[in-house]
Amino acid sequence: KQEVTQIPAALSVPEGENLVLNCSFTDSAIYNLQWFRQDPGKGLTSLLLIQSSQREQTSGRLNASLDKSSGRSTLYIAASQPGDSATYLCAVPSGAGSYQLTFGKGTKLSVIP
Amino acid sequence: NAGVMQNPRHLVRRRGQEARLRCSPMKGHSHVYWYRQLPEEGLKFMVYLQKENIIDESGMPKERFSAEFPKEGPSILRIQQVVRGDSAAYFCASSPSRQTTNEKLFFGSGTQLSVL
Repeated sequence: KQEVTQIPAALSVPEGENLVLNCSFTDSAIYNLQWFRQDPGKGLTSLLLIQSSQREQTSGRLNASLDKSSGRSTLYIAASQPGDSATYLCAVPSGAGSYQLTFGKGTKLSVIP
Repeated sequence: NAGVMQNPRHLVRRRGQEARLRCSPMKGHSHVYWYRQLPEEGLKFMVYLQKENIIDESGMPKERFSAEFPKEGPSILRIQQVVRGDSAAYFCASSPSRQTTNEKLFFGSGTQLSVL
């Protein structure tokens, strides 16, 4: 059974700081990994999708890496801004070939102006 | 191109009543997935539907819960005789085809169900 753990559960940083969010998963037979952003009272926005054959993906100030063999992914946010404050969720397929996603509980990020 | 639309945004029901949650997928998407987020928990898969077909309902409670995605109209998640434990945020997602390697999943804003 796929399990996803995100550390830390909450993080507060001053504006401008670079930060790293961590995600680990137990079943490495995945074909992709997605990072989502969830704002209070709103839905999820897909930030980055990394295919199993890739090591990392970049979008603006965001960089996500994937190490399948160790079951880990990191989301790096450069030069954080108050608008980055949100909960960040990591999700992987529940099993080989599965379309079901297993989500972590998320990391709640607060960027202090 | 409108995103995934869910309504209502908030739904309040008393114990024993029925709750109907609606989801209109993105234009051109024929695959719909429902997820539930309980307080302090991660999102959990409930059901996967294509037009007029339930493909996988393994994550849905066997009693009181049902889902449909008719040929015309939105997908409906129906909860009969709601209990307080059903209080949660229910999210719908859609994709143009079965979720595969290259496709991001697009989520709606969710319906927050509160059972009094």
